[in-house]
Amino acid sequence: NAGVTQTPKFQVLKTGQSMTLQCAQDMNHNSMYWYRQDPGMGLRLIYYSASEGTTDKGEVPNGYNVSRLNKREFSLRLESAAPSQTSVYFCASSDRWTGTYEQYFGPGTRLTVT
Amino acid sequence: AQSVTQLDSQVPVFEEAPVELRCNYSSSVSVYLFWYVQYPNQGLQLLLKYLSGSTLVKGINGFEAEFNKSQTSFHLRKPSVHISDTAEYFCAVSEVSLDTGRRALTFGSGTRLQVQP
Repeated sequence: NAGVTQTPKFQVLKTGQSMTLQCAQDMNHNSMYWYRQDPGMGLRLIYYSASEGTTDKGEVPNGYNVSRLNKREFSLRLESAAPSQTSVYFCASSDRWTGTYEQYFGPGTRLTVT
Repeated sequence: AQSVTQLDSQVPVFEEAPVELRCNYSSSVSVYLFWYVQYPNQGLQLLLKYLSGSTLVKGINGFEAEFNKSQTSFHLRKPSVHISDTAEYFCAVSEVSLDTGRRALTFGSGTRLQVQP
């Protein structure tokens, strides 16, 4: 059981380049999430998918798009990267979107935009 | 909108000493409360959670937290810390969003616990 996996682990982009962060979970969870973590700001929700086939904006969605490819996979796309998107990105999943269920986190992707 | 305040950004403590990491939240309606731990270069993992019932919640690795509704606090405690407890600790609050009608999880800014020998 790998839990939540993310690729890549590290990435350096130039301003204006695009990339997709991949996330997969093998726990048969219904809900998946993308967060960004910045120093002194905790984790902020970018997008989430309460169930397969649905996606919704979180607290900081600007500059990002997501795709819930199937129940297992939830990708995050940066269409035109900006230095303000330099951050550590975490994918998470949970059994349900009711707020009572534990979220399981991946190891993170450290992204630098120059 | 709810907010979560972790009052200390860093807490240095000696090994085997007790520790308390403080967390206050702003919501006054039904909330669920969580503490997560992040070890260096890893994702977050759940330490403990309060959903209902007893206000004293016990978690993994000897940690416990007490829900205090009147003080809107959920402080994390451990009576005797180990070097291996060095990590960042995040308090999180789940509350129904007035915008979406769904529960949203809001994280505090984190407290870095540094256990010294």
